[in-house]
Amino acid sequence: DTGVSQNPRHKITKRGQNVTFRCDPISEHNRLYWYRQTLGQGPEFLTYFQNEAQLEKSRLLSDRFSAERPKGSFSTLEIQRTEQGDSAMYLCASSLGGGRDTQYFGPGTRLTVL
Amino acid sequence: GQSLEQPSEVTAVEGAIVQINCTYQTSGFYGLSWYQQHDGGAPTFLSYNGLDGLEETGRFSSFLSRSDSYGYLLLQELQMKDSASYFCAVRGGNTGTASKLTFGTGTRLQVTL
Repeated sequence: DTGVSQNPRHKITKRGQNVTFRCDPISEHNRLYWYRQTLGQGPEFLTYFQNEAQLEKSRLLSDRFSAERPKGSFSTLEIQRTEQGDSAMYLCASSLGGGRDTQYFGPGTRLTVL
Repeated sequence: GQSLEQPSEVTAVEGAIVQINCTYQTSGFYGLSWYQQHDGGAPTFLSYNGLDGLEETGRFSSFLSRSDSYGYLLLQELQMKDSASYFCAVRGGNTGTASKLTFGTGTRLQVTL
């Protein structure tokens, strides 16, 4: 499978715990994005990397959230001190750049905070 | 800020044609994308318009009018498997990042027999 992969697919945690998600983009894609989606809504942009550089962060990304892409390949998204409001689907996408810069999404990690 | 409007639900009969409209307000506009998402699934890219006019990809077509801040997705020869949510998404934003996508709230399409 050469698409975007995400792990884990589901995560249930208790409020106050830290969680980390991983995204492996399509291999030749230099751009990587994180989005969050809640039920009945469209995905909301969280952050964007070009290679290992984090170029933009949404105001949605509070200081409890941190994302890294250390070698310009896979990325991790960590949420510290989780809150019930963090429950959502966390989607990763990657793109090659260029004119259309089409983003291809992974299957997502569904987070449930109890 | 950026905002997009699209109908919340559309119902159509198998074999028919349906049009899903999208109006947007944004700065730093680069283009309009359309994604399909089945329940529990990932958004799947359908079409992109960077310039005014019609783009055709098989049974799906998408149209953009930049002067009207308006686009639509046209689905022809509807099949039951087309039942899904459809999102328009603006590429760009006031931060100057061309790559960022801002999504609408989605249109849920129900195809019936």
